[in-house]
Amino acid sequence: GAGVSQSPSNKVTEKGKDVELRCDPISGHTALYWYRQSLGQGLEFLIYFQGNSAPDKSGLPSDRFSAERTGGSVSTLTIQRTQQEDSAVYLCASSLGDGTNEKLFFGSGTQLSVL
Amino acid sequence: DQQVKQNSPSLRVQEGRISILNCDYTNSMFDYFLWYKKYPAEGPTFLISISSIKDKNEDGRFTVFLNKSAKHLSLHIVPSQPGDSAVYFCAASRFQGAQKLVFGQGTRLTINP
Repeated sequence: GAGVSQSPSNKVTEKGKDVELRCDPISGHTALYWYRQSLGQGLEFLIYFQGNSAPDKSGLPSDRFSAERTGGSVSTLTIQRTQQEDSAVYLCASSLGDGTNEKLFFGSGTQLSVL
Repeated sequence: DQQVKQNSPSLRVQEGRISILNCDYTNSMFDYFLWYKKYPAEGPTFLISISSIKDKNEDGRFTVFLNKSAKHLSLHIVPSQPGDSAVYFCAASRFQGAQKLVFGQGTRLTINP
């Protein structure tokens, strides 16, 4: 597709359940990011993938959060044993990753609600 | 520790007037700054950026000003249009090309017709 695609757009889950959020970046973009936006907060960096390099996981809030990027394209963010404080909009972004273009292209996000 | 701060959660401006959105940062290592715009149910989109070697960058109705000594930047929109109503995020990075951006909390701008 032309843009970054995220699925599902909305996810309601019960506390303690695991969830998987998917991101399809723009074709040809080697860099992929996950951010989240909690109510009333700014965008919080979670994790960054660049090509075949080890991901920068410095923003993951706990070991319940993990992410994979298979084949250098699609990424999945997994949250295990969800808690109510995990409720947020999870945004995926991609960029060319050539070190010169800082412009991130964002998807529409997944609204996660943990009951 | 909020390294990038947008202290005004909301702003209302009359159509045709100037909108000024402000952003402050605390990390002196930041030297590249960006503004993103976000409509409801959409992801943020890049608007304009500025490097620390400049104090002003202009693109059509949008101008970003940077005051490094004050660690402050602002986005001016003139004239404001109803389609400018959105949430605006300020972001910073340590150098141009650095991929990990630090975002502010956002300012919701409403342009009244």
